Amino acid sequence: QQKVQQSPESLSVPEGGMASFNCTSSDRNFQYFWWYRQHSGEGPKALMSIFSDGDKKEGRFTAHLNKASLHVSLHIRDSQPSDSALYFCAVPNTGYQNFYFGKGTSLTVIP
Amino acid sequence: GGIITQTPKFLIGQEGQKLTLKCQQNFNHDTMYWYRQDSGKGLRLIYYSITENDLQKGDLSEGYDASREKKSSFSLTVTSAQKNEMAVFLCASSITRWNAEQFFGPGTRLTVL
Repeated sequence: QQKVQQSPESLSVPEGGMASFNCTSSDRNFQYFWWYRQHSGEGPKALMSIFSDGDKKEGRFTAHLNKASLHVSLHIRDSQPSDSALYFCAVPNTGYQNFYFGKGTSLTVIP
Repeated sequence: GGIITQTPKFLIGQEGQKLTLKCQQNFNHDTMYWYRQDSGKGLRLIYYSITENDLQKGDLSEGYDASREKKSSFSLTVTSAQKNEMAVFLCASSITRWNAEQFFGPGTRLTVL
């Protein structure tokens, strides 16, 4: 069973618009979430992590965590063409040194 | 800051061939990882290592061997390449903490003819 579910698979937004991604963990042991971004031809880069209920804001990026439902979302306001990339949700395997990654959401920002 | 270097960038092999991918990092991180990325399947962990000469299997270790002879390097061997196999192999490193950020290299793209 996939431990991390992401939706949607792909998303298109106009430049300046809001992009939103969803991620759900299937295991109550996984309550710490990372968001990674991968541009074409590059390796993923970490955007932010969240482990407390509520919102965490870093610049144009806001993550929201609901621990009761094991659901985290990522919102990008004022989307730019350079935000076009694959966005992954990742959860650390508590007590171990490995992560589980979701399948990713492909974002296209249309100029 | 640091950097992760993966060689080669592109690797083309024949079915049944043993192929080796290499990774170097200068972050001075203890933990290193190998992931496989297939289109539509996200990143799947093959092996990781928390220190020199340590190896831990991930969910996708069958068909692969790994080697961590130095702190700064981690290599992955495809023991018998499968025809029509095409994937990107990503190396990463982190400090040894269960929820630590991982830093990734640019990847090696494998094609098997």
